Amino acid sequence: KQEVTQIPAALSVPEGENLVLNCSFTDSAIYNLQWFRQDPGKGLTSLLLIQSSQREQTSGRLNASLDKSSGRSTLYIAASQPGDSATYLCAVRRNEKLTFGTGTRLTIIP
Amino acid sequence: DTAVSQTPKYLVTQMGNDKSIKCEQNLGHDTMYWYKQDSKKFLKIMFSYNNKELIINETVPNRFSPKSPDKAHLNLHINSLELGDSAVYFCASSLVFATNEKLFFGSGTQLSVL
Repeated sequence: KQEVTQIPAALSVPEGENLVLNCSFTDSAIYNLQWFRQDPGKGLTSLLLIQSSQREQTSGRLNASLDKSSGRSTLYIAASQPGDSATYLCAVRRNEKLTFGTGTRLTIIP
Repeated sequence: DTAVSQTPKYLVTQMGNDKSIKCEQNLGHDTMYWYKQDSKKFLKIMFSYNNKELIINETVPNRFSPKSPDKAHLNLHINSLELGDSAVYFCASSLVFATNEKLFFGSGTQLSVL
C-alpha cells in the first residue's frame, strides 16, 4: 500500500528566502508525481507534474525534483512571497490511483 | 469562467438525511472524480468516471451513489448521512483517464452532519 509523507507539517519562512518542501513515498513503482497548492476554503491547483522518467520540472520560481529510486521528491520555491502562503500537497500516481500526502502548510512572513 | 464548479459550497444537515452535491466541468474533459478530505486534511479518492462510466469505486459505502448524466457532470448523492460523513468533498476532472494527466479540482463542498 502506497504511503505518502510530507515533512514538516508546517513551515514559516521570512519573505524573500528560498525554501524546500519534502515529499516521500513508500512504493517507487509510480507513473508520476504531482505537486498541488491548496488555499484555505478553495480547491487544489496543480503546480507541477513530473513523469516517472523525469528528474525535475520547472515553472517560474518553482522547481520540483523526483528521485524515484529513493522515493523522494522536493519542491523548491525561490524568492518566496507572501502570496506563496498555502498548503502544498504532493500526490503520486500508480495505475489509476492518485495517493496524496497530508501536506505542508507554508506561511511566508512579510 | 470556473473550470470545475461544485454546488453547494457549504452543506449543513442532520443525521439520517439524504443530500446531493453537484459538479460540472466546462473543460471538455472525459474523466471526473470525487475525493474526500477528512479533518486531518487527508485526501482520498472515492470514485472516478470516464465518459459516464464508473472506473474506480474505492470501497465507499453504498450510501454514496455517484451519477453521471453526461461527461460534463458528476453528481454525488449520499443517503442516510452519518456523523463520519462530515468532510470536504472535492470534485476533479482530467482530459482523459491516463496516468500522465493533470487533475483540475473544484473548490470543494464542506459537509457538516449534525
